[in-house]
Amino acid sequence: GQQVMQIPQYQHVQEGEDFTTYCNSSTTLSNIQWYKQRPGGHPVFLIQLVKSGEVKKQKRLTFQFGEAKKNSSLHITATQTTDVGTYFCAPPWGANNLFFGTGTRLTVIP
Amino acid sequence: DAGITQSPRYKITETGRQVTLMCHQTWSHSYMFWYRQDLGHGLRLIYYSAAADITDKGEVPDGYVVSRSKTENFPLTLESATRSQTSVYFCASSENGRGTGDQPQHFGDGTRLSIL
Repeated sequence: GQQVMQIPQYQHVQEGEDFTTYCNSSTTLSNIQWYKQRPGGHPVFLIQLVKSGEVKKQKRLTFQFGEAKKNSSLHITATQTTDVGTYFCAPPWGANNLFFGTGTRLTVIP
Repeated sequence: DAGITQSPRYKITETGRQVTLMCHQTWSHSYMFWYRQDLGHGLRLIYYSAAADITDKGEVPDGYVVSRSKTENFPLTLESATRSQTSVYFCASSENGRGTGDQPQHFGDGTRLSIL
């Protein structure tokens, strides 16, 4: 079965603090996607990483794909209340499917 | 996303009843998916479809039936609902990729289903 773990499961931060969530796989991944789900909402695609060692930025969000393509991370600088939600890494699962897991639920305390 | 709609948004039914959740997309995406989301379990794949008349099981298919007679529609049926099927159900779609999970999935707003 899929051996991908995302940590932490929950994270509470003060507004303005940084936040990082990690996704670790036991196998090499061809690519990995990241999604955000706001409370009461649906998952929304953020980004896809494909290359070994790739780093992509979206404003305060920085996404990394490990050199061995077995891990990935999402780092948010200076969190804001709008960052609240659950962040999922989603590696491939089967031919065209994704494995979402439980994600990391971020709470930002104003 | 406006291109994929689920109905109903909320549904309450009783144990043993049949209930069908609808999903419609306007992008002509090849792939469509059904997920359920429960506290502590995250998003789990129920069924998916690669094209019209092609469906396959996901991680948790038991108790569910799907069909896809048209590309744009992918209904999910609970033939005899049980309390354990109380959940939030999400439909998603994606373009056909290279078979490596390389296409983003676009989700509907979800159906909140309660089974009493």
